[in-house]
Amino acid sequence: GQQVMQIPQYQHVQEGEDFTTYCNSSTTLSNIQWYKQRPGGHPVFLIQLVKSGEVKKQKRLTFQFGEAKKNSSLHITATQTTDVGTYFCAGPEGGGADGLTFGKGTHLIIQP
Amino acid sequence: KAGVTQTPRYLIKTRGQQVTLSCSPISGHRSVSWYQQTPGQGLQFLFEYFSETQRNKGNFPGRFSGRQFSNSRSEMNVSTLELGDSALYLCASSSLDRMGEQYFGPGTRLTVT
Repeated sequence: GQQVMQIPQYQHVQEGEDFTTYCNSSTTLSNIQWYKQRPGGHPVFLIQLVKSGEVKKQKRLTFQFGEAKKNSSLHITATQTTDVGTYFCAGPEGGGADGLTFGKGTHLIIQP
Repeated sequence: KAGVTQTPRYLIKTRGQQVTLSCSPISGHRSVSWYQQTPGQGLQFLFEYFSETQRNKGNFPGRFSGRQFSNSRSEMNVSTLELGDSALYLCASSSLDRMGEQYFGPGTRLTVT
């Protein structure tokens, strides 16, 4: 079945530094979704990318979808303590017919 | 709109028992999916219901089942509980077709002793 790999597993940064997490799928994805889960909370939808090479921005967050639609990245500029949490990418397996496959997530830890 | 609600929020069961978890989706959402989240395996898809029909199913044993009612509310049942079933069970609803953006509930923390 489809596998979605995310790296790094953990990332420690100083507040104000940039952060990037990478997502790679074993198969071509029709779309890729990104979620954020705060400690003790539940995943919250951030964005969905659909087009090859697509780039979307949300304030300090920049999301990219690779040309081959098999990889994606999330970049946060000038991290703040509110950015703490786990960032997950997810892709629909089998075009959506077999559910949503999540990566294991990247835990972002910010030191003030 | 009110968000996705799940009940109960916490549950402690003994091995061999069965459990039923409930989920109420966002009003107007017809797709409800269930996920299991554990530290070791991460977020894993259990199944999705759309208009009272199971549309997708993940790779879980038959002890895990679910259903959806005409008002889109969904229940998940786990029979013959095992210690390894201890997890956070998350329900998510979507207004879109084919596993679009998911809106998650707060989850039910199940502990099996």
